[in-house]
Amino acid sequence: NAGVTQTPKFQVLKTGQSMTLQCAQDMNHEYMSWYRQDPGMGLRLIHYSVGAGITDQGEVPNGYNVSRSTTEDFPLRLLSAAPSQTSVYFCASSYDRRSGANVLTFGAGSRLTVL
Amino acid sequence: AQTVTQSQPEMSVQEAETVTLSCTYDTSESDYYLFWYKQPPSRQMILVIRQEAYKQQNATENRFSVNFQKAAKSFSLKISDSQLGDAAMYFCAWASGSRLTFGEGTQLTVNP
Repeated sequence: NAGVTQTPKFQVLKTGQSMTLQCAQDMNHEYMSWYRQDPGMGLRLIHYSVGAGITDQGEVPNGYNVSRSTTEDFPLRLLSAAPSQTSVYFCASSYDRRSGANVLTFGAGSRLTVL
Repeated sequence: AQTVTQSQPEMSVQEAETVTLSCTYDTSESDYYLFWYKQPPSRQMILVIRQEAYKQQNATENRFSVNFQKAAKSFSLKISDSQLGDAAMYFCAWASGSRLTFGEGTQLTVNP
């Protein structure tokens, strides 16, 4: 099994450009989420999904859109990139959204730079 | 809102020695989970240890153990017999359901 796959691993954008970070998992996990990691701030939740067709906002959702049309995929869209969105992005999933006992499986991360 | 605080941005330890990383959290919930994650330079997030709040016994995984003080809302990580491979960023996290709240992280350096 591949686990959680994120693409691309690195991306440089200009202010105002749009892009999509892809996330796919092959573990039949119900729960998927996106975090951003910034120095001195840990990881902060952007959006999450508890199943196909269901998404919700996390702590820092502004400037990002998500959708969950299938169980496997959870893309993160930046419609108009801003320098403040320069960060490392992590996708993570777990089997059961109801239980905190289920450990998150993380992707390898995507480093995004917005000039 | 839940908060997680790691008051030590950087720590260092000599190889084979013991080091303790601190974490405090704030929550009004009674049922939750606590985690320590390790992030080496490869950037991969690796689970180190997990603690269920309803369990009084402290979790242990080989050289890693926690000191969980529920009343004080404290969750420290002890690394015994430190190895060069332990050098990494360590994150404390709180969860109720699958949503995790992370601390700011502690960068651990292991000196040979």
